[in-house]
Amino acid sequence: KAGVTQTPRYLIKTRGQQVTLSCSPISGHRSVSWYQQTPGQGLQFLFEYFSETQRNKGNFPGRFSGRQFSNSRSEMNVSTLELGDSALYLCASSLGGATGELFFGEGSRLTVL
Amino acid sequence: DQQVKQNSPSLSVQEGRISILNCDYTNSMFDYFLWYKKYPAEGPTFLISISSIKDKNEDGRFTVFLNKSAKHLSLHIVPSQPGDSAVYFCAASEGNTDKLIFGTGTRLQVFP
Repeated sequence: KAGVTQTPRYLIKTRGQQVTLSCSPISGHRSVSWYQQTPGQGLQFLFEYFSETQRNKGNFPGRFSGRQFSNSRSEMNVSTLELGDSALYLCASSLGGATGELFFGEGSRLTVL
Repeated sequence: DQQVKQNSPSLSVQEGRISILNCDYTNSMFDYFLWYKKYPAEGPTFLISISSIKDKNEDGRFTVFLNKSAKHLSLHIVPSQPGDSAVYFCAASEGNTDKLIFGTGTRLQVFP
């Protein structure tokens, strides 16, 4: 069974640009959530999607957005990039049972110059 | 406001001995508490969880204890093995959601 796949794995952008990250969940998983990991703030919740609906949103500015498609694949977008957006962005999927047992991808490492 | 705290950034334990990782929380509405393990360049991996209605859950070498009155949970690893060396994150969830609140992690090093 394939795990959670995130693309791209690494990317470099400059301030002011925008970026789109992609996540393919484990087959059969309907819930996808996104987390940002930085050395200073640790792992912080961005948003959660279940059956194409945003079920929860973290405390991030509106520059951060996401969506989920009918095949459960998800994308997140960050517009007007800032230096502080440099981080590892992790996607996780689950069956949606809200037990907290998530399956994480390896992440997309974004560097903003 | 950090709702989940891991006050020890690192822990070093000899192989074969017990590793105890601690976590404190402030939100009494959390339903589940979980531990994740993370190796460098990989995503976190689920290790073990406990429902808020229980006080202990065991899975092989790993046991999680929950003390609701103290708002404290701990992860015991017995016996510790070098392959257990990783960063361990405590996390908690509330309600019908996959939103997890993570602690800042504890780096465990198990030496021979």
